[in-house]
Amino acid sequence: QVQLVESGGGVVQPGRSLRLSCPASGFTFSSYAMHWLRQAPGKGLEWVAVISYDGSKKYYADSVKGRFTISRDTSKNTLYLQMNSLRSDDTAVYYCARDGGSGWTGGFDYWGQGTLVTVSS
Amino acid sequence: SYVLTQPPSVSVAPGRTARITCGGNTIGSKSVHWYQQKPGQAPVLIIYYDSARPSGIPERFSGSNSGDTATLTISWVEAGDEADYYCQVWDSSSDHVIFGGGTRLTVL
Repeated sequence: QVQLVESGGGVVQPGRSLRLSCPASGFTFSSYAMHWLRQAPGKGLEWVAVISYDGSKKYYADSVKGRFTISRDTSKNTLYLQMNSLRSDDTAVYYCARDGGSGWTGGFDYWGQGTLVTVSS
Repeated sequence: SYVLTQPPSVSVAPGRTARITCGGNTIGSKSVHWYQQKPGQAPVLIIYYDSARPSGIPERFSGSNSGDTATLTISWVEAGDEADYYCQVWDSSSDHVIFGGGTRLTVL
């Protein structure tokens, strides 16, 4: 069955960096676009970034553009999110999710369980 | 940027029908996806491409999309349907995923 398991979250000081990982299993990773999303405590869902199935296209939310980088390693079936210059408003549970469509406009049909990132001094 | 508007809350008695709306400029021209999220859990896709249901999602959940409003309809509401519901689209003009603010469904 499809499994996505985020890791790498934790407590980090403002201005520092963190890298999240999301190893995928149970499907052909190289055939699907993948997304990162987040949810601040008590708030709604916010999209962070998407990477195409082959890594050739990447799009970012305005709130993270220039600070976060999405990437994927097909040989390891793993999705990454490099987060630099972290701010307190980046505090959230971060989810990786598979895009079920052809491209990146389908629904998110599988989600990980999430990893908590807390940015605090 | 494109905005999706949902009512913050909807209340319904068990056995009745709940309708959750998602408003957006000509949203009928976009594909809308709906998610259910229960406390402490990751969201679950319940409707995709306006009205399709993933396997395992009960037929009680249905979706429609026309004009400026998409609607999630939950028939024969059960206590277990109490959750937050989010609509979502891809905005091709900005190359961004857009979520509605979410609707808390309360079963009375």
